Amino acid sequence: GAGVSQSPRYKVAKRGQDVALRCDPISGHVSLFWYQQALGQGPEFLTYFQNEAQLDKSGLPSDRFFAERPEGSVSTLKIQRTQQEDSAVYLCASSFLGQGNQPQHFGDGTRLSIL
Amino acid sequence: QKEVEQNSGPLSVPEGAIASLNCTYSDRGSQSFFWYRQYSGKSPELIMSIYSNGDKEDGRFTAQLNKASQYVSLLIRDSQPSDSATYLCAVNGGATNKLIFGTGTLLAVQP
Repeated sequence: GAGVSQSPRYKVAKRGQDVALRCDPISGHVSLFWYQQALGQGPEFLTYFQNEAQLDKSGLPSDRFFAERPEGSVSTLKIQRTQQEDSAVYLCASSFLGQGNQPQHFGDGTRLSIL
Repeated sequence: QKEVEQNSGPLSVPEGAIASLNCTYSDRGSQSFFWYRQYSGKSPELIMSIYSNGDKEDGRFTAQLNKASQYVSLLIRDSQPSDSATYLCAVNGGATNKLIFGTGTLLAVQP
């Protein structure tokens, strides 16, 4: 498809399990972003890639969160030893260029529930 | 003080009226401003971007930016029930490419 694709759409895990969330950006988009959205809140920045380089990971809440984009296209957000507070919607966005004025286009997100 | 502030609403307007959504931001260095629409359970959808002071119109939508007052607004003319959604204001500071979002304003257009 032409848009940002995320999988899975829904993920339920038990506390302490590891999860991996996938993002396939719009073809040709240089920049890729991960955001976390809690219920009733706006998305909050987690991390940013320009091609394969992770240029900003200031929003990752703990060292349990890890993201990669090894070939500069698909990205994976991994959460180790999940906690209940990790329950949220994880949104991926991409933009064409690595410039701040470029609009970001979002995927449908992965809704993560930690039991 | 939050970096980007919006009234959470709900803002209720009758069908056909003008809906006015407001947003203030704290970083004077912000350069780029975006409005996203988010239906319940869906992803944010870009509806407007604005980069310079003044008004920018696109169909029924008008974005207004006043950098001196650190204020961004979105006007929706001839509001339709299908416009009922949460509207997110997002700001980019320029030094980094990340977007800072407000909490969103829930708009309800009454038929």
